[in-house]
Amino acid sequence: DAKTTQPPSMDCAEGRAANLPCNHSTISGNEYVYWYRQIHSQGPQYIIHGLKNNETNEMASLIITEDRKSSTLILPHATLRDTAVYYCIVRVVYYNQGGKLIFGQGTELSVKP
Amino acid sequence: DGGITQSPKYLFRKEGQNVTLSCEQNLNHDAMYWYRQDPGQGLRLIYYSQIVNDFQKGDIAEGYSVSREKKESFPLTVTSAQKNPTAFYLCASNTGTGRRALHFGNGTRLTVT
Repeated sequence: DAKTTQPPSMDCAEGRAANLPCNHSTISGNEYVYWYRQIHSQGPQYIIHGLKNNETNEMASLIITEDRKSSTLILPHATLRDTAVYYCIVRVVYYNQGGKLIFGQGTELSVKP
Repeated sequence: DGGITQSPKYLFRKEGQNVTLSCEQNLNHDAMYWYRQDPGQGLRLIYYSQIVNDFQKGDIAEGYSVSREKKESFPLTVTSAQKNPTAFYLCASNTGTGRRALHFGNGTRLTVT
């Protein structure tokens, strides 16, 4: 699975959009990009995933560059409850493959009033 | 509500003792996983099971054992052979097809002294 690089920390004002970048320059054509977040002392929570098209759900939007070497997770209107560590993961998806997600250090997002 | 229950939330043991961490899910998921998280680190896969009565080693299986006698249960035993057992342990599940997001429990924090 390809390695990802994320900034260790970011701040965001409450109500503003939070844009979290992820670099995955060695991604291969069959690897998906996943985003999870982890609030302190809780289990990670799935946010969104995509292959090459931009994706949106009720939690966030995922923008993947055309060359797929980087992506951005967008929280459109950040709240204090969005304060968490955000993990960007890339992995090949095979039917019945074990959940061998490789979590890096992630980005610690602090949403401030 | 469906979900994953890990118990207890905090566990203390003396060095040399085996300890079993509980993980139960009522999501009807086929696959279950155990991860370990150390302070400031990402998650590392210990064991996973894609079907009842079958399981595979993850990246750091040494010193751990598991069983999968029922679909809803996947207990993890931390044996005395595990050199550094103090950690935050997370159980997860999904439907077994690789693209599906992992659902995590809220973890058990094990301290061995």
